[in-house]
Parts: sequence; C-alpha cells; structure tokens
Amino acid sequence: DAGITQSPRHKVTETGTPVTLRCHQTENHRYMYWYRQDPGHGLRLIHYSYGVKDTDKGEVSDGYSVSRSKTEDFLLTLESATSSQTSVYFCAIRPGDSPNEKLFFGSGTQLSVL
Amino acid sequence: AQSVAQPEDQVNVAEGNPLTVKCTYSVSGNPYLFWYVQYPNRGLQFLLKYITGDNLVKGSYGFEAEFNKSQTSFHLKKPSALVSDSALYFCAVRDLRGSQGNLIFGKGTKLSVKP
Repeated sequence: DAGITQSPRHKVTETGTPVTLRCHQTENHRYMYWYRQDPGHGLRLIHYSYGVKDTDKGEVSDGYSVSRSKTEDFLLTLESATSSQTSVYFCAIRPGDSPNEKLFFGSGTQLSVL
Repeated sequence: AQSVAQPEDQVNVAEGNPLTVKCTYSVSGNPYLFWYVQYPNRGLQFLLKYITGDNLVKGSYGFEAEFNKSQTSFHLKKPSALVSDSALYFCAVRDLRGSQGNLIFGKGTKLSVKP
C-alpha cells in the first residue's frame, strides 16, 4: 500500500467524544487526503494537505479538522463524534505534484459512533 | 458543475464473458478521467486514466476504457471476465474548479463475476 499506514484500523466510540485518526506515510510526499466511504455515496473528500501546515477543506469537511505538523503524518479529528460520522475513512497520498498522478490509498479505518 | 455518474449499482457477468462498467461525466473543460478498483477490506487501487491522446486506454489486470467525448462517457471494459475481477469499481474525474485538481469519485459499481 505504498507505505501508507492508517491507525487505528477499527474504532468504536460514543457520540460526543473526540476521535483522532492517523495516517502515516514513509515516502515524504506532499499531497495527502482524507476520504470517507459510505454506501450510495462512494468516496467523498473531507480534507487534504499539500504540505506541512498547508491544509484545505473538501466536500464534506463539517465536523472534521486536520493537522499536518510533519510531512509523514496527517491527522483527522472528529471534534465531537456523531452517528452520521460512522463510516470507513481512507487516507490517500499523491506521489507527484501533477494532479494527473494516481493516488495510493491506505487500508482504511472503520469507525462506528454509537 | 463537475461530476461523474455510474448508472449501475451492480453488474453481473459470467466468467469468460466480456464486461462493461459504465461511467459518464460532466466537466466544464477537458476531462481527466480515472478508474479505481476496491477489493474487499482494502483501499482503492488505480487501474487506468485518460488524460489526452488515444481514446482507448489500457490499464492493469487486462482492463481498458474507452473515452467518448460526444457521449461524455468513459466505460471500463474487459474482453473476458474472471471471478477474481469481482470487486467495487469507481470512476473519478479531476475537479477543474480548484487549483489542486482533486478527484471527484462516482458512487461505485459492484461487479460480480460468477463461475
């Protein structure tokens, strides 16, 4: 999986609690992404980063924040988890600066908010 | 608006038969199109892309896709399906509105290949 590690792989939490998901890459690529996958919606972009401390919102960013203090780590935080945030979360990297480069995805984090 | 549509939630094919997974797009400029595949409990994997040039694009695992500008389509094809091709397939288009060129994914099509 192109040196991408997501942790945890599975998480069960309660409504109202904060949750942080971690994406770690070993290749020092600039571009990193967080997507969520839901049946009937495909993949939707939450946030992305184009460098250390350079992040921007995606299509479904409400209720999520991100941080990238090191090139290799991109953290996704749910400030106060809700049941609507139950989903599978995927991190992806883009090896080059060209937007036509293919993405490499991690194995995903299954998050359940009860 | 930039968007991509996959009109079929599921496609069923017998092993050895040709398969087609459909994708149509809507963009306000030149389209940059991608296909990804997701096997169970895995992340997405890149199959192929169309950026410019030949309308028939060849990719991984024997897949190919045909870009049709007049029909705004980018259908994924394979001449002879394998049971191991059973997976979830996503079409994606590059979002031309922003400077970063992020991908917009379709909802996915589940391909089931029966022996």
